[in-house]
Amino acid sequence: EIVLTQSPGTLSLSPGERATLSCRASQSVTSTYLGWYQQKPGQAPRLLIYGASSRATGIPDRFSGSGSGTDFTLSISRLEPEDFAVYYCQQYGTSPWTFGQGTKVEIK
Amino acid sequence: QITLKESGPTLVKPTQTVTLTCTFSGFSLTTNGVGVGWIRQPPGKALEWLAVIYWDDDKRYNPSLKSRLTITKDTSKNQVVLTLTNLDPVDTATYYCARRRIDSGTYYGFDIWGQGTMVTVS
Repeated sequence: EIVLTQSPGTLSLSPGERATLSCRASQSVTSTYLGWYQQKPGQAPRLLIYGASSRATGIPDRFSGSGSGTDFTLSISRLEPEDFAVYYCQQYGTSPWTFGQGTKVEIK
Repeated sequence: QITLKESGPTLVKPTQTVTLTCTFSGFSLTTNGVGVGWIRQPPGKALEWLAVIYWDDDKRYNPSLKSRLTITKDTSKNQVVLTLTNLDPVDTATYYCARRRIDSGTYYGFDIWGQGTMVTVS
């Protein structure tokens, strides 16, 4: 099983600041099969990024994904109030598909 | 508009079986590259993928739960059904269904999610 470790666990930032979230895999993940999701309290996750770097439909361009192999990054260029949430990475290339434990982005 | 909605019992006793239904609209599970999966999330914890079924009836399961899971589809009703047997309190979670899409070699992950249904085992 591929274990995805996200860091930091919590990121305390102010609106307008840049957020950088990390997702490290226990073994190599093909970029094609790496996604990022946003989840707000009481809501279902929402797909932000697929294929490591492609934005899903309707996702603002302040969200960007990068990385390859075992190290992937989600960046939010300028935090908007609605961006404070929990973010999960997921690999869907090797069974079992796995999620990271999440990074919470909170208002400082 | 694409929607998915989960339904099923909210409270189940240990050792029992739960049957969850995902009813979707706005897409077809007969379309090449389309699948519907199930993911769960215990309260305050991370997401866990359970199973997925594809347009061609290919089925994949999380090996850690495979012996307890069954996923089926009814394309005429636009429904996907998940059964989980021999329930334990650790199975208490919100259960989500979501669309899985593969298009021209692009793998989208789970691109549209239902609102989830909470199942308590007690």
